[in-house]
Formats: sequence, C-alpha cells, structure tokens
Amino acid sequence: NAGVMQNPRHLVRRRGQEARLRCSPMKGHSHVYWYRQLPEEGLKFMVYLQKENIIDESGMPKERFSAEFPKEGPSILRIQQVVRGDSAAYFCASSPPGQGLELFFGEGSRLTVL
Amino acid sequence: AQSVTQLDSQVPVFEEAPVELRCNYSSSVSVYLFWYVQYPNQGLQLLLKYLSGSTLVKGINGFEAEFNKSQTSFHLRKPSVHISDTAEYFCAVSEGDSWGKFQFGAGTQVVVTP
Repeated sequence: NAGVMQNPRHLVRRRGQEARLRCSPMKGHSHVYWYRQLPEEGLKFMVYLQKENIIDESGMPKERFSAEFPKEGPSILRIQQVVRGDSAAYFCASSPPGQGLELFFGEGSRLTVL
Repeated sequence: AQSVTQLDSQVPVFEEAPVELRCNYSSSVSVYLFWYVQYPNQGLQLLLKYLSGSTLVKGINGFEAEFNKSQTSFHLRKPSVHISDTAEYFCAVSEGDSWGKFQFGAGTQVVVTP
C-alpha cells in the first residue's frame, strides 16, 4: 500500500512564475490536508479538502494560493506569481473517511523561489 | 485558540543516555496530542498519540509520552537513545472539532553523539 505521494519533490521557480504541487493520498483515503513548513519553523495548516470540496481553507493566504481535489486525479496546490517568501516545504497529508486524527504525511515538495 | 510551545530548540545527547523533549500547549477545550519525528528531507512520521484513556502513551522506537492535563504538558521521553534517533521532533495538538487541523510546535532538534 503506497503512502502519500507528492511531486515534484523539488521545484525551482523564478519570481512571478507559477508553482503547482501535486498530492496523491493513500489508497482509500478521502481527506487531504496541505501544510507549509517555513525554514526553522513547524508546520502550519493551510487547507483541508475532500473530493471536489474545500472544507477548511482558514490557513491559506488570501491571494495567489489555491487548492483543489478533483473527483479524479491528485490534489493540487497552486501558487501564482511566486515570491521569495513562498520558498518552503509543502507537505500533504491524508486520512481515511470519517477520521481526522490519523494523518499520514507525504515526503513534501520543496519549493525554491529565485 | 490553541498554541503549542516546545521549550527546547535543540537537545544534544550522548548515545545510550535518556532524553526528554518538552511540550506545553494552551487550549480552552479538550485536545488530542501527538508527537511526530522528521528525518532530514523526509516527511513526518507519527511516533505516538494521546486521544483518551491512560495518560502514559507508548509509541514506536521506544518512545513514550505522558499527558498532564493540570500542567497542560505532553513531554516525550526515551530511556536510551541511539544515533539513529537524530532527527527533528514535533509536538502537535488538535482541538476536538478541528478535523485534521493540527497546531504544530516549532520543533526540537535532537542530536545524538557517540
């Protein structure tokens, strides 16, 4: 049973470009969460999604960031017009249906903005 | 609103010595508590969790933690560390109605030396 798969593992973008990060949850999991880890800090919650629904986006920056979890395919975290401050590790986690206390994390996508 | 404080940013320890990592939290409601470990350039792996019941929780790799409600603490301990325990450790808290929305501490870097 494959774990949470994130790609790309490393992404380099120039200021103003777009970054797309993908997350495939564990098999059978229907809840996806995105967290951001800035250098020297702990993880910060960004958004919680179920298939085709955003359940809680209270941690998402108001501009340039969006997330989706379509009926088919992986969840995508999209950052438009990236700035240097977006450089961070972005972690995806998933949990089984009806269960929000057992999070399984992927290995993260590390975004570097030049 | 909840917050999590990990009192030590770095803990150096000799191999086979005991280690304790401190975690305090603040919350006005009942909480669930977790410890995760992060090895370099990897995702987070769950060490142990407290949901209810016995306040002494045993996890993987010989770690244990004790929930102290009166002191709002959830300290992590291991009686004898190995070199392979060198990693970053994160304490996390989830409030009862915050599905998958964890508040993480800033992390404690454990460095085990021979």
